[in-house]
Amino acid sequence: AQKVTQAQTEISVVEKEDVTLDCVYETRDTTYYLFWYKQPPSGELVFLIRRNSFDEQNEISGRYSWNFQKSTSSFNFTITASQVVDSAVYFCALRISTGGFKTIFGAGTRLFVKA
Amino acid sequence: DSGVTQTPKHLITATGQRVTLRCSPRSGDLSVYWYQQSLDQGLQFLIQYYNGEERAKGNILERFSAQQFPDLHSELNLSSLELGDSALYFCASSAGGGSSYGYTFGSGTRLTVV
Repeated sequence: AQKVTQAQTEISVVEKEDVTLDCVYETRDTTYYLFWYKQPPSGELVFLIRRNSFDEQNEISGRYSWNFQKSTSSFNFTITASQVVDSAVYFCALRISTGGFKTIFGAGTRLFVKA
Repeated sequence: DSGVTQTPKHLITATGQRVTLRCSPRSGDLSVYWYQQSLDQGLQFLIQYYNGEERAKGNILERFSAQQFPDLHSELNLSSLELGDSALYFCASSAGGGSSYGYTFGSGTRLTVV
């Protein structure tokens, strides 16, 4: 079965702290894609990153970085020097081709960044 | 603006009624996906269309149906509405129908059933 687990329901940090959001996935497919999306209070879903199962290279984009480890089926997301504008719900997602090309989302982690 | 347009943004209706949610995909995108986001169920995949044809089906109730028209816009029809159908309904689009394509989400339609 395919599953995405975001064990952290809510995280609260103070501005400028670093924070890591955990994501663990399950799939038997050898080809799959992992995503992170951000949902700010305004409600829209904003795409952050896509990673395919054959590319374990970590990625950094400004204050954001992602650590993909197939050995532990994890795709963690770190925000460095957090800012109040980072306050949002963050979703990790898994896309497979078996059974159709649907994307399975984790339950989300709500991040509060306090000034 | 993501390029994916959903209308209406808000909808309030009574139990037992029927509503239609509309989605226009980003220009050039052939695939449309519908998701339901509720407080207790999170983001649930409902259905995908690719170039007018149903491609994948998720946890879509029999009371719900969807279609994609020749101009590629899509409609999600929800009938015999129940209180539990209150949720944020997202439409997303992608260029292709395969697993490698990224999604662009619309801003959602918030449905409240009273």
